[in-house]
Amino acid sequence: GNSVTQMEGPVTLSEEAFLTINCTYTATGYPSLFWYVQYPGEGLQLLLKATKADDKGSNKGFEATYRKETTSFHLEKGSVQVSDSAVYFCALSTNSGGSNYKLTFGKGTLLTVNP
Amino acid sequence: EAQVTQNPRYLITVTGKKLTVTCSQNMNHEYMSWYRQDPGLGLRQIYYSMNVEVTDKGDVPEGYKVSRKEKRNFPLILESPSPNQTSLYFCASSSSRGQPQHFGDGTRLSIL
Repeated sequence: GNSVTQMEGPVTLSEEAFLTINCTYTATGYPSLFWYVQYPGEGLQLLLKATKADDKGSNKGFEATYRKETTSFHLEKGSVQVSDSAVYFCALSTNSGGSNYKLTFGKGTLLTVNP
Repeated sequence: EAQVTQNPRYLITVTGKKLTVTCSQNMNHEYMSWYRQDPGLGLRQIYYSMNVEVTDKGDVPEGYKVSRKEKRNFPLILESPSPNQTSLYFCASSSSRGQPQHFGDGTRLSIL
């Protein structure tokens, strides 16, 4: 079956530090890959996505590249801000599995950025 | 504004008392889904629906029911809630495969 493994947190950084959150996946077919962010007390928001190998998703200074050879989709940001403090989820959706567009999620990584 | 709306946001109730969590989307999406979020387990799918009157089980359907009588609404029903259903629940919708899912703000249920 499909699965997503992301680095466990919590991750604590100082403002302007470099961020990497690792994500690897196992999937049948050709998955689309996503990063979602969950701010305290809120639902999940799409941060970025990539739908095929070598695609780079980017948004708000965050980037992730779809690496089929290493089955990875690591999230990076060059300079984090306090406002980036949140839980980050890596997720995938495959083209197989019939009519279910189910997202398979990693367990989430809590990021705290200190001033 | 495109959105998925869940109600209630918070609910504390007792074992065995039937409850319904409503979900509504205004994007004309055919696909809707319910997830529960638990510490250390991430999000797991409960039920999903491809269209009106078409629903199917996800990974953790036991103890839940759903219905899809209208395209915009997808309520989650707990007919006899138990403490192991204490969780944070999210409704989501999507237009097609491979497209991002839009999530509601969540419903935190506590079953005593």
